[in-house]
Amino acid sequence: ELKVEQNPLFLSMQEGKNYTIYCNYSTTSDRLYWYRQDPGKSLESLFVLLSNGAVKQEGRLMASLDTKARLSTLHITAAVHDLSATYFCAVDIRSGGGADGLTFGKGTHLIIQP
Amino acid sequence: DAGVTQSPTHLIKTRGQQVTLRCSPKSGHDTVSWYQQALGQGPQFIFQYYEEEERQRGNFPDRFSGHQFPNYSSELNVNALLLGDSALYLCASVDSYGGWTYNSPLHFGNGTRLTVT
Repeated sequence: ELKVEQNPLFLSMQEGKNYTIYCNYSTTSDRLYWYRQDPGKSLESLFVLLSNGAVKQEGRLMASLDTKARLSTLHITAAVHDLSATYFCAVDIRSGGGADGLTFGKGTHLIIQP
Repeated sequence: DAGVTQSPTHLIKTRGQQVTLRCSPKSGHDTVSWYQQALGQGPQFIFQYYEEEERQRGNFPDRFSGHQFPNYSSELNVNALLLGDSALYLCASVDSYGGWTYNSPLHFGNGTRLTVT
């Protein structure tokens, strides 16, 4: 059974600081997704990582994937309050690609304080 | 362009009752998945529908069933409700070609908050 573990589960940080969220998964996969969820809202896709060594950046967020270590990271640079949200990683091990059922981590609840 | 729409937004039911939740996928999308998100947890995959058939299923009992219509909209039915079924139910859609060829991400709706008392 595929297991996806995120850490930390809760993170409070100050604006302007850098931090990294980690996502480990238990079964070989080369497809990993990062989503953001604001309170009371749905999930918004952030990144799709499809191969070993993949790195993607959008604004202050950068995600990377190491399939050999079964590890993905989401790095936050110079955090701002607007990035406060819950961040989920999700892994798909089936052969059908991104349309298949995903296994999500428990999420990292991020609070960025002024 | 409307995204994924779900109805109702909130629902309160009693143990033992049955409930039907509805989902209209994003325009151009033909594959619909349902997820259950308990409070403080990540979404859990229930099942996926493509071409009006259940294509994949997660670890959920047979009390959870679904349907997909020719216009790609979908329903999630839950029978014999338990207190533990209280959760946010999320519908997600993707176009099969993009999803299976380019690993396009799922587009999620805002969910239906189900409370079982």
